[in-house]
Parts: sequence; structure tokens; C-alpha cells
Amino acid sequence: GAVVSQHPSWVICKSGTSVKIECRSLDFQATTMFWYRQFPKQSLMLMATSNEGSKATYEQGVEKDKFLINHASLTLSTLTVTSAHPEDSSFYICSARSGTGGMSGELFFGEGSRLTVL
Amino acid sequence: AQSVTQLDSQVPVFEEAPVELRCNYSSSVSVYLFWYVQYPNQGLQLLLKYLSGSTLVKGINGFEAEFNKSQTSFHLRKPSVHISDTAEYFCAVSEVGRGSTLGRLYFGRGTQLTVWP
Repeated sequence: GAVVSQHPSWVICKSGTSVKIECRSLDFQATTMFWYRQFPKQSLMLMATSNEGSKATYEQGVEKDKFLINHASLTLSTLTVTSAHPEDSSFYICSARSGTGGMSGELFFGEGSRLTVL
Repeated sequence: AQSVTQLDSQVPVFEEAPVELRCNYSSSVSVYLFWYVQYPNQGLQLLLKYLSGSTLVKGINGFEAEFNKSQTSFHLRKPSVHISDTAEYFCAVSEVGRGSTLGRLYFGRGTQLTVWP
């Protein structure tokens, strides 16, 4: 199947710093990418939907100024957590949908990035 | 709006026993249905999906699920589990034909399957 790669897989940072997480579709072009956040022992919460070349659509309650999403190309989307605080510590997962795939809603998920803010 | 309910947060079973993980959903429109598996500190892997057609869907690793429209359920089953099946399982739905939001998934809270020797 298609491969979606996230980097870094683990990141530890100090409170107040910004962290960038990359999501790449390695063997297909992703017109749409989704960013999820997963708290321990809980489900995935959709944060935002990004379409290549346009602004991301954020879910209600997600601070767009804190979680900056950029989808500059068909193979790369980035999530930047600005001025991170300990409560931002979480597992962040991206997913991508092929632009040429069927309208099935099937997504390919990255391996996830665990952010720990000290 | 969509909602997905996974009735069991934890399911412990012994190796080689059958297992059923339950999933119910609510939606005002037609949906696609999915089951994903997540191993510790990893992303999600698709087990199987229902798009249309036969209501019994077979997936990877010996799993299958049956779509029951009248009961709005999509329960996951495996006749004989292995220790390697220990993982978190998520049921998810996606609306049919939602244009730019196609592919947006609504997840259940997950069921931790633990297989004991």
C-alpha cells in the first residue's frame, strides 16, 4: 500500500519553543492531508484538514495560531506547534488521501510523532 | 454529524479463542466503515473496510466484519486470535460523497485487545 512518513517520530522540547512535524507521502500525491491528535488511551481527534495550496480547515476548538499547518506541495504537509506547553504533549498522527484514488475515504496513516514538552 | 461507539474499552481473551469487537455508529447519511489497528507508538494500519456490496468484509490477519445497516453496526471478528493480535483497534466512519472533506474519518474511542497465552 501507499506509504506516509512522519518525522520526527519522537521529539522533546522546552516549554515556549516551537516544534515542526513533517508528513510526507512517499509514493503518491496527496491532495488532502489530515492531522490528528491522540491522547493516551483515547481515540484520535481530528485537528485540521489541509488541501494542497490552500489554507487548512481547523476543527472547532483547535487554535489555528498555535497549530500552524502548511501543505505546500502534493507530498508534504507540516504541523508546527508554536510556543509549546506541557499540555501540548501528545501523539500527533497525519494521514493522506491520494488525489487519484477512489472516493472511498481510505486514508494512509503516518507512523505518528510523539511530542513531549518539558 | 457522525458518531462512533465502541462499546468495550478492553477485551481480554486467551490465545486461539474467538473474539468480537463491537462498533455502532450513527449518521444521517450513508457512510463508509473501517477498522484500523494500532500497535504501541505507531500509526494506524487498515484492517478492512466496507464501501458497498457484500455486507461481510474480509480483511488482513484473518479478521472480518459484518455491516448491519438496520442495527447500524460493524462488528469485527476473528475466529482464533494470536498473541500478536494484541493491539488497539479503532472503528471509523466516513461520509459518502462529501467533496473536499471526503476521507475525513470519525473514530471510536478504541478497544484494547489483549491476548493471553
